[in-house]
Amino acid sequence: AQSVTQLGSHVSVSEGALVLLRCNYSSSVPPYLFWYVQYPNQGLQLLLKYTSAATLVKGINGFEAEFKKSETSFHLTKPSAHMSDAAEYFCAVSDSGNTPLVFGKGTRLSVIA
Amino acid sequence: SAVISQKPSRDICQRGTSLTIQCQVDSQVTMMFWYRQQPGQSLTLIATANQGSEATYESGFVIDKFPISRPNLTFSTLTVSNMSPEDSSIYLCSVDKAREGHGYTFGSGTRLTVV
Repeated sequence: AQSVTQLGSHVSVSEGALVLLRCNYSSSVPPYLFWYVQYPNQGLQLLLKYTSAATLVKGINGFEAEFKKSETSFHLTKPSAHMSDAAEYFCAVSDSGNTPLVFGKGTRLSVIA
Repeated sequence: SAVISQKPSRDICQRGTSLTIQCQVDSQVTMMFWYRQQPGQSLTLIATANQGSEATYESGFVIDKFPISRPNLTFSTLTVSNMSPEDSSIYLCSVDKAREGHGYTFGSGTRLTVV
């Protein structure tokens, strides 16, 4: 069964600093990997996804993630944090189409002015 | 990608009552997934609904408490039965269009408060 571990329930960065949110997965087959963002009192928004194409995936709002099979990781990065990036971020995995996503516990990102 | 209409968007219910949540998808999908997001928590899968068969429930969720209907390939309902304050959560439905390259889509969620 798949699982996702997000290291750090809360990450705080200064505005303009690098954002790094960590995600490690466990899957017995090549996975589909996703990052979602949830702003306060809002629904889930897909940031980016990895589906076995390029290992470096670019998403919306300047975010990107790199799939590293040897490290079973899919960390999310953004070169320069903006105040509007403050939100909850979820990493998720599935092992194939038509199977449900398994979510990590989430990381709350705070951006300090 | 698929568009999901989920309703109601929020409700405040008395304990002991039931609430039915509806999800309508704008295209046919094989599987629909129902999740619960408790306050300050991540999403937990409740069940997978396949048209024409009984839903498959995850550990800790039972059909008597969370009955699901899937009458066709574009619609599903989740009922939260005999509610208690512990059922206060956001409930979301989701579909997968990954094979078409679209990925997973989520409904906007139903914010349930049980008083």
